[in-house]
Amino acid sequence: SQQGEEDPQALSIQEGENATMNCSYKTSINNLQWYRQNSGRGLVHLILIRSNEREKHSGRLRVTLDTSKKSSSLLITASRAADTASYFCATDGIGGYNKLIFGAGTRLAVHP
Amino acid sequence: GAGVSQSPSNKVTEKGKDVELRCDPISGHTALYWYRQSLGQGLEFLIYFQGNSAPDKSGLPSDRFSAERTGGSVSTLTIQRTQQEDSAVYLCASSPAGEDYGYTFGSGTRLTVV
Repeated sequence: SQQGEEDPQALSIQEGENATMNCSYKTSINNLQWYRQNSGRGLVHLILIRSNEREKHSGRLRVTLDTSKKSSSLLITASRAADTASYFCATDGIGGYNKLIFGAGTRLAVHP
Repeated sequence: GAGVSQSPSNKVTEKGKDVELRCDPISGHTALYWYRQSLGQGLEFLIYFQGNSAPDKSGLPSDRFSAERTGGSVSTLTIQRTQQEDSAVYLCASSPAGEDYGYTFGSGTRLTVV
């Protein structure tokens, strides 16, 4: 079963708008990661947030983590057409290094 | 190499044939992972290698699937007696040891079983 579940499944916005994607997970984690996938092939790592962190920034990306609610959000500010992709959250397991379990993803379309 | 390399990029095979998919991870990355992704779906974990430890095979869907990693580097995923439901993109990733690293993914192998 999947550990992370993204919401919404699909999101369509105009260039310049902000895009917010949410992720919920079920068990305790060491860290949570966000990835982007273009054209259904390889994923690109965007950002990692540790379980003891609440917010992290990287360029136009802002990630928050609420371990009490077992949820995370990814905010892309001032979106561009090039941000069109699928975005996945992934979580590992607490208690030692473990493989990542991915959610089903959010398909983001940014229209010029 | 500079990235994770997978070959072939595309493979069309007849039902019942065996296939081998190859992954060449980033040099020095001790962890290697195989996932598969069906059209429009998320990633399904298959198998995980970490250094010289026994691999975590908990995601392999059937005994037709196997994988090995030789010399702690290149990995081969073998699917025997392929079925149409095996059609998917097979993704390989590698990472350094430790729990605070993201994965570097290859571009995947698109397998089509006809």
